[in-house]
Amino acid sequence: QAVVTQEPSLTVSPGGTVTLTCASSTGAVTGGHYPYWFQQKPGQAPRTLIYDTGNKHSWTPARFSGSLLGGKAALTLSGAQPEDEAEYYCLLSYNGVRVFGTGTKVTVL
Amino acid sequence: EVQLVESGGGLVKPGGSLRLSCAASGFTFTTYTMAWVRQAPGKGLEWVSSISSTSRYILHADSLKERFTISRDNAKKSLYLQVNSLRVEDTAVYYCARDHFFDSWGQGTLVTVSS
Repeated sequence: QAVVTQEPSLTVSPGGTVTLTCASSTGAVTGGHYPYWFQQKPGQAPRTLIYDTGNKHSWTPARFSGSLLGGKAALTLSGAQPEDEAEYYCLLSYNGVRVFGTGTKVTVL
Repeated sequence: EVQLVESGGGLVKPGGSLRLSCAASGFTFTTYTMAWVRQAPGKGLEWVSSISSTSRYILHADSLKERFTISRDNAKKSLYLQVNSLRVEDTAVYYCARDHFFDSWGQGTLVTVSS
């Protein structure tokens, strides 16, 4: 089974920009992995922010965007807010078998 | 409003079994692929399994497929996860989710495996 790796932690200043990445042990991440990005706050269920690389749900704040960057999936947060402090997980699909990333703890400080 | 409510968790001894349930409402259950995701205390998310709307297609995480079985009853609008030969490391919150862009999640049910 593939291993999906994210940065363990990142810090961003309020109003700043940060990019989280999601790498696959099998090689470059492509649109065929249908990358997802989830946000999870303590004690809460995860919430999907991005699906299929760069698509947003109706509830996804405009400051979040998804893309492919240098062979990885990427989530960019532009104009960070205090409420964006959370754990973020990516999810990749390998012919239908899903694998979550290791998660990135984002601190807004 | 879409609602997913898990139940069936609890304390079980190693080697035991449980059947987790997820009751769905607020949407046409019969047309959606559904999934189970788990999260051990203080750890990351782990996809467990997904099942298509008619149960024709079922996928499991390789490490779990021998002991975990997903199923659904469309008439009852319910999703199930049968978990057997439980191990201490299966202790986790088990979430059901609508595997349609993972747009809806339940609040989870806690399974604790301990002697």
